[in-house]
Amino acid sequence: QKEVEQDPGPLSVPEGAIVSLNCTYSNSAFQYFMWYRQYSRKGPELLMYTYSSGNKEDGRFTAQVDKSSKYISLFIRDSQPSDSATYLCAFGGGKLIFGQGTELSVKP
Amino acid sequence: SQTIHQWPATLVQPVGSPLSLECTVEGTSNPNLYWYRQAAGRGLQLLFYSVGIGQISSEVPQNLSASRPQDRQFILSSKKLLLSDSGFYLCAWSLAGAGGELFFGEGSRLTVL
Repeated sequence: QKEVEQDPGPLSVPEGAIVSLNCTYSNSAFQYFMWYRQYSRKGPELLMYTYSSGNKEDGRFTAQVDKSSKYISLFIRDSQPSDSATYLCAFGGGKLIFGQGTELSVKP
Repeated sequence: SQTIHQWPATLVQPVGSPLSLECTVEGTSNPNLYWYRQAAGRGLQLLFYSVGIGQISSEVPQNLSASRPQDRQFILSSKKLLLSDSGFYLCAWSLAGAGGELFFGEGSRLTVL
């Protein structure tokens, strides 16, 4: 079983749609849960960071963590073309472990 | 504020040639430094990390090496490039002892022909 598995995509949605991005993990030692956004030919940038189960909201973005089921999700409301990017989940608690990334395209 | 610089941005090299990618961080002291490689459509593979000058940990045996000659400088090198070394290389830093947030450079795209 892989330590981290991320829905591979790619995902294409119309502007204004609600987007759901998901990752599962197997390592119970992970303490930090993150989402990075990576635009084409750029380095990833931290989008959301949390260390507890539940929801964390920041504008149109909501990060959800369920430690009991070992999955995390990122929801994007009212998606915009500028949200088109690859989204990487990441897990910390020692070394940082990244998911494979989900490529999202939001069509105007 | 902290910034990270990585260069060159793009590099095309023949097989068997040497490689040197450089990364510097400004605005912080004693950062943890990292080199990642990202193959097309794949996640980030940690290659090396460093918690201090001269302290390098290698995650994957390979044709590459890393050095940290100064506190905020991290260099990725190879003596002889292979075709399989092609990829997108990312330098990153984090605060020492911090809970995992990484700050990435803009990346260096290496094509080995």
